[in-house]
Amino acid sequence: GAGVSQSPSNKVTEKGKDVELRCDPISGHTALYWYRQRLGQGLEFLIYFQGNSAPDKSGLPSDRFSAERTGESVSTLTIQRTQQEDSAVYLCASSRDKNTEAFFGQGTRLTVV
Amino acid sequence: AQSVTQLGSHVSVSEGALVLLRCNYSSSVPPYLFWYVQYPNQGLQLLLKYTSAATLVKGINGFEAEFKKSETSFHLTKPSAHMSDAAEYFCAVSDRVSNYQLIWGAGTKLIIKP
Repeated sequence: GAGVSQSPSNKVTEKGKDVELRCDPISGHTALYWYRQRLGQGLEFLIYFQGNSAPDKSGLPSDRFSAERTGESVSTLTIQRTQQEDSAVYLCASSRDKNTEAFFGQGTRLTVV
Repeated sequence: AQSVTQLGSHVSVSEGALVLLRCNYSSSVPPYLFWYVQYPNQGLQLLLKYTSAATLVKGINGFEAEFKKSETSFHLTKPSAHMSDAAEYFCAVSDRVSNYQLIWGAGTKLIIKP
């Protein structure tokens, strides 16, 4: 597609449930990033995929968070047993490689009630 | 450790007036500095970046920013605000040019008064 697409745009879930967030990067972009943005705060890096290399998971806040990406295609971010502090906007971005401009999706707003 | 401080969560200016959005950083190594903009209902978009070339960096839509090492600042300016500039602006710093190791400020929402 023309840009980075994320779905759903909004998600309300009950505490303790699992959620899956999807990111469709720009075609041909080998690098893909996930960020979290809590209300009133800057973006926090979560995970980075570069082609078929092992992802950099150093930003994942707990083992309840995981992400997958097959090759250079779609990525999914999964949050298990959601907690209220997981409420945030989750942003995905992609770039041709890690040293070129990243293009961001509109984000998924997750609310845990 | 690196950090970014954006002064003012909201800045309001009149249409046609100067826009000044402040960003101060801390970094133990020469930094790379970025400004991103997020228009309503759109994704983040790169406005401009400083990567140790010219200290005055020009970006899209008439914005520019000046890297001042002595002040550890990278303030964003535009001579004359337009209604379409209303958006949220984020400053970010990195010790390398790669995207994912950016440290982000909390953002400043720019409000344009008619």
